[in-house]
Amino acid sequence: NAGVTQTPKFRVLKTGQSMTLLCAQDMNHEYMYWYRQDPGMGLRLIHYSVGEGTTAKGEVPDGYNVSRLKKQNFLLGLESAAPSQTSVYFCASRETGNRQYFGPGTRLTVL
Amino acid sequence: LAKTTQPISMDSYEGQEVNITCSHNNIATNDYITWYQQFPSQGPRFIIQGYKTKVTNEVASLFIPADRKSSTLSLPRVSLSDTAVYYCLVGDGTGGNKLVFGAGTILRVKS
Repeated sequence: NAGVTQTPKFRVLKTGQSMTLLCAQDMNHEYMYWYRQDPGMGLRLIHYSVGEGTTAKGEVPDGYNVSRLKKQNFLLGLESAAPSQTSVYFCASRETGNRQYFGPGTRLTVL
Repeated sequence: LAKTTQPISMDSYEGQEVNITCSHNNIATNDYITWYQQFPSQGPRFIIQGYKTKVTNEVASLFIPADRKSSTLSLPRVSLSDTAVYYCLVGDGTGGNKLVFGAGTILRVKS
């Protein structure tokens, strides 16, 4: 049981490039979340999903797209990366109640 | 959104009990209150969750007054390894799934 895994762990992009971050969970959770965390700051919700085939906007959705084609996977896409998107990205999945399980994070640098 | 307010930082010494209070005036009737711990370069980790009154587990206690507008995380006899950021989290005030983190409390434990 791996819990929540994130791919890749690190990535450096140039401004304007695109990429997809993958989050996978093996706990059969319905709910999944993408957060970003800038240095010294708290977590900000980007997008979330309440089940396969559904997505919804969080606090800071601009510049990102998401897809939940399979229950166990939640993808976060950056269509045209900007330096302001340099951050650590955390994925989480949730069971009933508010208890979330977080992945190890993806460190993204946009030059 | 059910906004949460916590102290920015707290200092303590090894062996002391630490109480961190979170204010959540707009909590919805069916929202749980959940606390997380985050170490540098790691994703948040679940500590404890409650709905009302008092909850205790092997690492912490959570006190929730009858009006549920605040909650207090109690860490008994802290050690240096408890130095971390602590977040309280409630639902979005509608009983929904948009889980937004507050700024968190930086706890520094000194020897």
